[in-house]
Amino acid sequence: DTGVSQDPRHKITKRGQNVTFRCDPISEHNRLYWYRQTLGQGPEFLTYFQNEAQLEKSRLLSDRFSAERPKGSFSTLEIQRTEQGDSAMYLCASSLGQGSDEKLFFGSGTQLSVL
Amino acid sequence: AQSVTQPDIHITVSEGASLELRCNYSYGATPYLFWYVQSPGQGLQLLLKYFSGDTLVQGIKGFEAEFKRSQSSFNLRKPSVHWSDAAEYFCAVGRPGGYQKVTFGIGTKLQVIP
Repeated sequence: DTGVSQDPRHKITKRGQNVTFRCDPISEHNRLYWYRQTLGQGPEFLTYFQNEAQLEKSRLLSDRFSAERPKGSFSTLEIQRTEQGDSAMYLCASSLGQGSDEKLFFGSGTQLSVL
Repeated sequence: AQSVTQPDIHITVSEGASLELRCNYSYGATPYLFWYVQSPGQGLQLLLKYFSGDTLVQGIKGFEAEFKRSQSSFNLRKPSVHWSDAAEYFCAVGRPGGYQKVTFGIGTKLQVIP
């Protein structure tokens, strides 16, 4: 169990550029979640996958955001035409189990700064 | 809609002193309740959770929390704080169906002084 891994740890980009983040969940975890955390706030749900299927997306996830989990293993989150308001920590988490048995494991996050 | 209030943004305690972090929630039915800790550069780690049963929940690192339905509260406590407890603590409320239905509070940053 190597934990949830996110890459890169930090990303600085200019407004209007596209960025892509990667998340490697704990192996065999079937659910994968993306959250966004802005300064002074708690994490906010963006989207989640059950294996390779994207089952739910938050209203926070504008059409500039897209997430994939092509083989039910790693996932990518892409932001197109970045805006300064996209600056945040993007957290990935994975889980196994259902209901009260489900336990979430978080990665350390990718800190995005849009200049 | 469910919500979580953490009224204390910053708390400073002396090492060895007791700690209580406050959390109030709003939810129509019996909620799922969580406390997470986030150290700098680290992901969030689950301290404890309440789904049902005994209202006093024991967690990791010597933490406990008590669910009080009448007060809509789920306060986190530790009898003796260690310097390594300095971190940010998040209370969260959820409902059955997965973590996409969990709402996090804004967090309480804990500073521990010698």
